[in-house]
Amino acid sequence: DIQMTQSPSSLSAPVGDRVTITCRASQSVTKYLNWYQQKPGKAPRVLIYTASSLQSGVPSRFSGSGSGTDFTLTISSLQPEDFATYYCQQSYTIPITFGQGTRLEIK
Amino acid sequence: QVQLQESGPGLVKPSETLSLTCTVSGGSISTYYWSWIRQPPGKGLEWVGYIYHSGNTNYNPSLKSRVTLSIDTSKNQFSLKLTSMTAADTAVYYCARYDYGGNSFDYWGQGTLVTVSS
Repeated sequence: DIQMTQSPSSLSAPVGDRVTITCRASQSVTKYLNWYQQKPGKAPRVLIYTASSLQSGVPSRFSGSGSGTDFTLTISSLQPEDFATYYCQQSYTIPITFGQGTRLEIK
Repeated sequence: QVQLQESGPGLVKPSETLSLTCTVSGGSISTYYWSWIRQPPGKGLEWVGYIYHSGNTNYNPSLKSRVTLSIDTSKNQFSLKLTSMTAADTAVYYCARYDYGGNSFDYWGQGTLVTVSS
């Protein structure tokens, strides 16, 4: 199985800040890396697919980059509604695997 | 707008079989892949498996011996059976659509909490 490791596991930041979350795969997943946002009691929603493509309806302050084993999710200017848990997920090979999550809290 | 809704028991006894159904509305189930993903309370996400409208399946090897997915295109539903349930299977179970074009889970159900307890 491909292991997905996110860092940090949690972080706190104020509204307006620029935030970056990192995801590292245990082997190359080429471009097949997605990012999800999950709020308490809700299902995840996809933000970024295939590393850098913005899902329809997602604000442009979210962006993704990377390839191979190292990927980043960047939020350019944090908004109150962005405080949530973020997961990366590889779809390069079966089994599909997720990172452990990064909890983003208000500072 | 595609919508997914899980249904099934909220409580299952140890060693019993869990059966969940996902009903898809707002679109045909006869395209895309359809998946189950679970999340133990306070923990991360685990992919269970997915099924294509043809009936082709792929399962997580960690659960493969206990999981069966099926699909009923006439009802726009797909289902999960998980045998020999234990407390470790307590989780919120989500059904989701897997978009092979974007290689991501683009539509999700709201999730249903399944607790394993006697």
